[in-house]
Amino acid sequence: GAVVSQHPSWVICKSGTSVKIECRSLDFQATTMFWYRQFPKQSLMLMATSNEGSKATYEQGVEKDKFLINHASLTLSTLTVTSAHPEDSSFYICSASLAGVGSYEQYFGPGTRLTVT
Amino acid sequence: LAKTTQPISMDSYEGQEVNITCSHNNIATNDYITWYQQFPSQGPRFIIQGYKTKVTNEVASLFIPADRKSSTLSLPRVSLSDTAVYYCLVGDIRRGWKAAGNKLTFGGGTRVLVKP
Repeated sequence: GAVVSQHPSWVICKSGTSVKIECRSLDFQATTMFWYRQFPKQSLMLMATSNEGSKATYEQGVEKDKFLINHASLTLSTLTVTSAHPEDSSFYICSASLAGVGSYEQYFGPGTRLTVT
Repeated sequence: LAKTTQPISMDSYEGQEVNITCSHNNIATNDYITWYQQFPSQGPRFIIQGYKTKVTNEVASLFIPADRKSSTLSLPRVSLSDTAVYYCLVGDIRRGWKAAGNKLTFGGGTRVLVKP
């Protein structure tokens, strides 16, 4: 149980275009989802916290107008990278919090590799 | 938010026990300690979580001394497939990760290489 999926698993786009990444909790409801970015051989960096039905909370230094997050349902959060540039090329990972008494683990998706050419 | 410090890398051999120690001197009363494993190009995978003393599950043990300023992840009899990066995180999980102030921050992690 507690599976998180991401789509697509990898994407290549041209500079200036926008890309949407989906994060789904397949067998549980997640009131909170998190988006991370990871550059090669570096640790995960939290970009934003996404709460269902409300605006996302962005970490310092993360442009909210460039990384649009929508958490429209308890099982789906999306991250849209707008006007992508080569420096946005990275591994994007989402996680979901299993809400409920006694269970506060974060379950991570498999990640999405974004390459901007 | 408690900051963690781990060794950058560790080498081991198949069948050996691997112990990774994480320092978290500023751990708060309500903070739990969680360890994740990450393979290249994959999302992190939960390994174990604890608050104090010792926790054991089917894949690892977690040792936490009384002062909770450090913790040690123990991987018994590692195999080649245990080669990965291991992250130690501390945070207050009781509020369900919702508030920005309760977010988890990944440190540098420890790159474990298991050799044949």
